[in-house]
Amino acid sequence: EVQLVQSGAEVKKPGESLKISCKGSGYSFTSYWIGWVRQMPGKGLEWMGIIYPGDSDTRYSPSFQGQVTISADKSISTAYLQWSSLKASDTAMYYCARVYFSSWYVLLDYWGQGTLVTVSS
Amino acid sequence: SSELTQDPAVSVALGQTVRITCQGDSLRSYYASWYQQKPGQAPVLVIYGKNNRPSGIPDRFSGSSSGNTASLTITGAQAEDEADYYCNSRDSSGNHRGVFGGGTKLTVL
Repeated sequence: EVQLVQSGAEVKKPGESLKISCKGSGYSFTSYWIGWVRQMPGKGLEWMGIIYPGDSDTRYSPSFQGQVTISADKSISTAYLQWSSLKASDTAMYYCARVYFSSWYVLLDYWGQGTLVTVSS
Repeated sequence: SSELTQDPAVSVALGQTVRITCQGDSLRSYYASWYQQKPGQAPVLVIYGKNNRPSGIPDRFSGSSSGNTASLTITGAQAEDEADYYCNSRDSSGNHRGVFGGGTKLTVL
């Protein structure tokens, strides 16, 4: 069974750093892209970026380039999303998902349970 | 353009048919995928590609596409279909990027 299990909720202060994780199991972790999706309170889904754990190829949405860092450790089948200096506007639910690209579409077929990040002074 | 536009809200009477649409330039080149999200839950893939349903998704869900518009149709809407629905497509830049629509809140009356 394919599973993506994310790390637990975080409460941080502005300016602090943070790294959240997403551990995959039940499939070949190095053969699929992993994506990160932001959902701010009461808002829609936003594509942040993706990583291919097989070679760490990383692609960011222009809105998130330079704001976050996506990485992966294929030895432990885990992807990460990190911030060096959090802002209150980073308060959101963050989902990881397994991503598949074909010539005609993209799909996110398995999702983690989400990690709620709250940034408040 | 990398934007996908959805109506914010749609309603349907129980047992009737409803169509949720998604518009964007990238849809001229790529099919949309559709996700259902219920309150407090992660999104679930319901339709992808030309009109494909993952295992476990009821056959009342179907997808179609024409020009720059993709549609998700629910034939015989059930109370449990009340949720937010998001479309998603590859970015028209051709890179490995994606984009989501703003979401449609479906109310089943």
